[in-house]
Amino acid sequence: KAGVTQTPRYLIKTRGQQVTLSCSPISGHRSVSWYQQTPGQGLQFLFEYFSETQRNKGNFPGRFSGRQFSNSRSEMNVSTLELGDSALYLCASSPLLGKYNEQFFGPGTRLTVL
Amino acid sequence: DQQVKQNSPSLSVQEGRISILNCDYTNSMFDYFLWYKKYPAEGPTFLISISSIKDKNEDGRFTVFLNKSAKHLSLHIVPSQPGDSAVYFCAASASNAGNMLTFGGGTRLMVKP
Repeated sequence: KAGVTQTPRYLIKTRGQQVTLSCSPISGHRSVSWYQQTPGQGLQFLFEYFSETQRNKGNFPGRFSGRQFSNSRSEMNVSTLELGDSALYLCASSPLLGKYNEQFFGPGTRLTVL
Repeated sequence: DQQVKQNSPSLSVQEGRISILNCDYTNSMFDYFLWYKKYPAEGPTFLISISSIKDKNEDGRFTVFLNKSAKHLSLHIVPSQPGDSAVYFCAASASNAGNMLTFGGGTRLMVKP
């Protein structure tokens, strides 16, 4: 089975721009979660989607948004980019929603905001 | 506030010896705990997990211990190998929070040949 794929792998943007990142989960997985990793804050949960519905949301401003399509692929969007948004954005997929589920991570998208 | 903490940012161990990585949590709602291993420029790789109904889970060289009363878990790697050198993250989830994981800050393990 192919793993979680994320595109693009690297991205450079300037302040004020917006960006869209894409994630394709493992085949058959219906839950997709997004995380931000920075040196200062570590790995932080952004949001989770299951069956095209946002199920959980982390403590991030409204500039961060996401969606999930009927084939379980997911995108996240960051508008009005700030320097502090520079981070590794990780997507994780899981077959189910809820208890005792392992999550499988993609390689991440490295976003640099100049 | 940090709900999951890994107090040791780094750990150095000789090849063949035991590596013990520790993790503390504060949220009593957490009932499932996972360990991930991460190499630079890659996503975290799942290693082993434990639910709150158990106090130990083994998978090959990896064993996770959970002490619920102390809100503490540890990952034991025996024997340690140079290929185990990576950053290890402890993560926790609560059954009322879907698949949301709360991560610790990570411990960098270096296994010396």
